[in-house]
Amino acid sequence: NAGVMQNPRHLVRRRGQEARLRCSPMKGHSHVYWYRQLPEEGLKFMVYLQKENIIDESGMPKERFSAEFPKEGPSILRIQQVVRGDSAAYFCASSPRTGFYEQYFGPGTRLTVT
Amino acid sequence: DQQVKQNSPSLSVQEGRISILNCDYTNSMFDYFLWYKKYPAEGPTFLISISSIKDKNEDGRFTVFLNKSAKHLSLHIVPSQPGDSAVYFCAADSTAGGTSYGKLTFGQGTILTVHP
Repeated sequence: NAGVMQNPRHLVRRRGQEARLRCSPMKGHSHVYWYRQLPEEGLKFMVYLQKENIIDESGMPKERFSAEFPKEGPSILRIQQVVRGDSAAYFCASSPRTGFYEQYFGPGTRLTVT
Repeated sequence: DQQVKQNSPSLSVQEGRISILNCDYTNSMFDYFLWYKKYPAEGPTFLISISSIKDKNEDGRFTVFLNKSAKHLSLHIVPSQPGDSAVYFCAADSTAGGTSYGKLTFGQGTILTVHP
């Protein structure tokens, strides 16, 4: 009964490189959410995806950030040309259906940009 | 624009006593509220939730109270245990129209420390 899995757990990138964060939802869950937690702050919603569809990306920065949840495989959050301000913990959560309010979170990926 | 606020960054209580964590919100569209607990290096874990049609929900040692007129909710933990030491986040959602996207808005968190 695996929970939400995220990898890598820690990722170090130099400014200008690309970061790819992966999220495998719980078995049977087809809804994925990405959140970002900056130091000393709460989690901030970034994007909500269902299989092959972006439902709500209102929390995503307009540039350099993209997300996908393909038919097969994990959800990917991609950050191009990373900057120091992207350093944060990125959490993904999954739920089994729309209207199911409790989300199950993964352990997070801590991104450090040097 | 902080729509969900937890004004106490930290709380320290003695084992066996009550812990009360508070949360205020400003968005009147929020009608579903959740509490999550987070240990270091782990993701948040769902604790308890409450719909705006209720003013209280209880689950074992955890009780959440909602005061809609004051736009305030609180989490009571009785009795507190050392294993409860963690960061507690309140979160809110709007289910207007009957369907929630699950786009949760989180507070900043309160660090609870329960001393033996």
